Amino acid sequence: EPEVTQTPSHQVTQMGQEVILRCVPISNHLYFYWYRQILGQKVEFLVSFYNNEISEKSEIFDDQFSVERPDGSNFTLKIRSTKLEDSAMYFCASSETSGGPFYYGYTFGSGTRLTVV
Amino acid sequence: GQNIDQPTEMTATEGAIVQINCTYQTSGFNGLFWYQQHAGEAPTFLSYNVLDGLEEKGRFSSFLSRSKGYSYLLLKELQMKDSASYLCAVLYNQGGKLIFGQGTELSVKP
Repeated sequence: EPEVTQTPSHQVTQMGQEVILRCVPISNHLYFYWYRQILGQKVEFLVSFYNNEISEKSEIFDDQFSVERPDGSNFTLKIRSTKLEDSAMYFCASSETSGGPFYYGYTFGSGTRLTVV
Repeated sequence: GQNIDQPTEMTATEGAIVQINCTYQTSGFNGLFWYQQHAGEAPTFLSYNVLDGLEEKGRFSSFLSRSKGYSYLLLKELQMKDSASYLCAVLYNQGGKLIFGQGTELSVKP
């Protein structure tokens, strides 16, 4: 079964440093997303990306964050000047479409656990 | 806001049936997902409902009533490995953004 692949699985970084989280979405998917989950809390939407541009972003996704699709396979989330409160699990997801009457393969990656110290 | 409400915790016995409810705000509704999540792992897809009615898939079924803003996930013949968090997530409008509930932590006991 096709998978969304995320690297690294764990990342520890010092406060103020920049991190890049990497994702390889499923190859025929056109919509890409980042979510985060702080320990013990619910999964929260960060950003959606389609046709090489951001289609929607949440209040969490401020100027500290950016996304990029640098080539035909990778989708990255960059966090500049990390803060302690950025410590969370970050999930990438992808889907064939943005909705529809039938399931369209909305799949999550295994996540990157980011710890800011 | 687009609040998704589901019970925080439930406990059930191995072999039994459990129903996990989810309510949501109906404005802009475009589909509802149920995911299973084990601690420290990614959400894994269980079901997707966009029309009213029951969708059955093996031991798992999901029901949707769009007019009531209500869904439930039904798990039959519970097994110990079903102990996990069950997440209700609603797709609002057309952009693909999912809004998640807090999750229901299900404990299956022998």
